[in-house]
Amino acid sequence: NAGVMQNPRHLVRRRGQEARLRCSPMKGHSHVYWYRQLPEEGLKFMVYLQKENIIDESGMPKERFSAEFPKEGPSILRIQQVVRGDSAAYFCASSPLRGATDTQYFGPGTRLTVL
Amino acid sequence: DQQVKQNSPSLSVQEGRISILNCDYTNSMFDYFLWYKKYPAEGPTFLISISSIKDKNEDGRFTVFLNKSAKHLSLHIVPSQPGDSAVYFCAAKMETGANNLFFGTGTRLTVIP
Repeated sequence: NAGVMQNPRHLVRRRGQEARLRCSPMKGHSHVYWYRQLPEEGLKFMVYLQKENIIDESGMPKERFSAEFPKEGPSILRIQQVVRGDSAAYFCASSPLRGATDTQYFGPGTRLTVL
Repeated sequence: DQQVKQNSPSLSVQEGRISILNCDYTNSMFDYFLWYKKYPAEGPTFLISISSIKDKNEDGRFTVFLNKSAKHLSLHIVPSQPGDSAVYFCAAKMETGANNLFFGTGTRLTVIP
């Protein structure tokens, strides 16, 4: 049973370009979460999605950031017009259902570097 | 606003001894707690969890203790092994409302052979 997959693992962009990060949840998981980790900090929640629905985007910056989880294919986190402050590790997690005790399983992350 | 805090950024322990990692939280609505282990350039790996209806959960060498009145939990690893060297994150969530995890800033554990 493959774990959560993320690609690319490393992404370099120049200021003003777009970054697209992809996440394929574990088989059987229909809940996807995106987190961001800045250097020397813990992970911070960004957005929670189910298939074709954004459930909670309270942690996502209002501008330039968007996320989707289409009926078919991976979840995508999109950052438009990247700035140096967007440089971070972006982690995706998935869980099989929503509940008090469901565990979120993390992918290996995408390390975004903005030049 | 850091609702989950790990006040020790690092901890060094001799191989074979006990490692105790601590975590404090401020939000009384949290009722499920998890510990994750993270190696460099990898994602967090789930280690162990505890529900607020319990005060202890054990899995092999790992035990998590929860003191709700003090809003404190700890992870005990015994005996510690060099392979346990990693960054450990404490995380918390609420049964109702938001389903996301709130993470601490992590404690880097080094187990000295």
